[in-house]
Amino acid sequence: GESVGLHLPTLSVQEGDNSIINCAYSNSASDYFIWYKQESGKGPQFIIDIRSNMDKRQGQRVTVLLNKTVKHLSLQIAATQPGDSAVYFCAENRYATGRRALTFGSGTRLQVQP
Amino acid sequence: GAVVSQHPSWVICKSGTSVKIECRSLDFQATTMFWYRQFPKQSLMLMATSNEGSKATYEQGVEKDKFLINHASLTLSTLTVTSAHPEDSSFYICSAEGRTSGESWDTQYFGPGTRLTVL
Repeated sequence: GESVGLHLPTLSVQEGDNSIINCAYSNSASDYFIWYKQESGKGPQFIIDIRSNMDKRQGQRVTVLLNKTVKHLSLQIAATQPGDSAVYFCAENRYATGRRALTFGSGTRLQVQP
Repeated sequence: GAVVSQHPSWVICKSGTSVKIECRSLDFQATTMFWYRQFPKQSLMLMATSNEGSKATYEQGVEKDKFLINHASLTLSTLTVTSAHPEDSSFYICSAEGRTSGESWDTQYFGPGTRLTVL
């Protein structure tokens, strides 16, 4: 379900390193997952998505891994850059129910140190 | 592709007035749009689902008479905050469901958000 928190977990990495951001989801019936990036004062920006019949999907510098057994989703960013600094949200949906709205996680702040 | 715009990007109004926020899908048609609200350092909270040509579906706890939604066309949805009060001050974000070329399924693309401040 929805998760709202005042204290975002923070991941701090060095520029050039790889980043891994994790997300645990609660509903085993969820069949679609998305990662969004949100910079301060802006709307969420789509990064990558994955459906439940997949366990891995790759984009440009990003990879999403899905482990349905433990209900875990991760976002891997290769060669992290200062411009990657933002809050990252995972979101889930259960299209099978006909409900098309997303449920968002609480977010993780990524800080890239130069 | 898959660009969503919002207007205005920020608005300041007096308590008791109404404010209209527009959400447009610029390069695709969206039969379904969504309105979210976000407080500082918090996640997005879904307010309502807007369907073209029909009434919006509101989430539990969201007053439909206060947050009026109209989805008049496949590229435009509006959210009107009626009789706004300081507690309505927030960051309002819309999304539109669409598909970019090469993708085999729809996903949600978000607008840049509207910062509402009610004095």
